[in-house]
Amino acid sequence: RKEVEQDPGPFNVPEGATVAFNCTYSNSASQSFFWYRQDCRKEPKLLMSVYSSGNEDGRFTAQLNRASQYISLLIRDSKLSDSATYLCVVNGEASGNQFYFGTGTSLTVIP
Amino acid sequence: DGGITQSPKYLFRKEGQNVTLSCEQNLNHDAMYWYRQDPGQGLRLIYYSQIVNDFQKGDIAEGYSVSREKKESFPLTVTSAQKNPTAFYLCASTPGFSGNTIYFGEGSWLTVV
Repeated sequence: RKEVEQDPGPFNVPEGATVAFNCTYSNSASQSFFWYRQDCRKEPKLLMSVYSSGNEDGRFTAQLNRASQYISLLIRDSKLSDSATYLCVVNGEASGNQFYFGTGTSLTVIP
Repeated sequence: DGGITQSPKYLFRKEGQNVTLSCEQNLNHDAMYWYRQDPGQGLRLIYYSQIVNDFQKGDIAEGYSVSREKKESFPLTVTSAQKNPTAFYLCASTPGFSGNTIYFGEGSWLTVV
C-alpha cells in the first residue's frame, strides 16, 4: 500500500467552479501535512500547510481528518491560473522526517 | 534572496557516463534531500543528509552517489550504474529534521542520449 494516495484526475472544471481534492495516508503517526502546487515542468511549491482545525487561505481551504486519515483541499471560484498539479505531502517524525508524496491531482480550469 | 539553486537545468548524458548535478542552498538549512520524479509518478527519495559529512540512502539510491562536505552543498552524481537515469531531479531542504516545510530547487532535467 502506498504511503499517500491521491486521485490523479484529471479534473477539468469551468472558471468559477468549486473543486475538491482528497488524499489518504497510511501512517497514523504522521505529524505534518501539506498541499503543494506543481506547474508543468517546474518544481513543487508550498500552497498551504494543513492543520487539525482546518485552515483557509483566500479561495483555498484545507482540512485534516485524522480519524479517517485523509486530507482535503477545496478551491472556490476557480481561476485559469489554478491549472496545475496538486501534490499531497505527509511527514512524520516517526519516519525520520521522511516526506511522502502523492502522485498529484491534475486540475485544468477551462474558460 | 534565499533559496536553493540547482544546476544545470538541462543535461544530456551519453550512456556509460557519470554526471554530477549541483545543489546549493543559502537558507542555512540543516537537512537536504534529492528526489527523482518520473512522469505520472510521485517523488522518490534518492538520498538525504541531516548534517555535514553524513548522508543516508533513500528508496532508490542504487546507481547514485552524494557528498555533504559543506552545509550549503549537496551534489548528486548519477553513475553509469543507474540503468534508467532519464528523469527530473529535485533537490530540497528543510530547516531541521522534524515537522518542517520542505523547499525545492528548480530541478534538473537529465536525458540519456
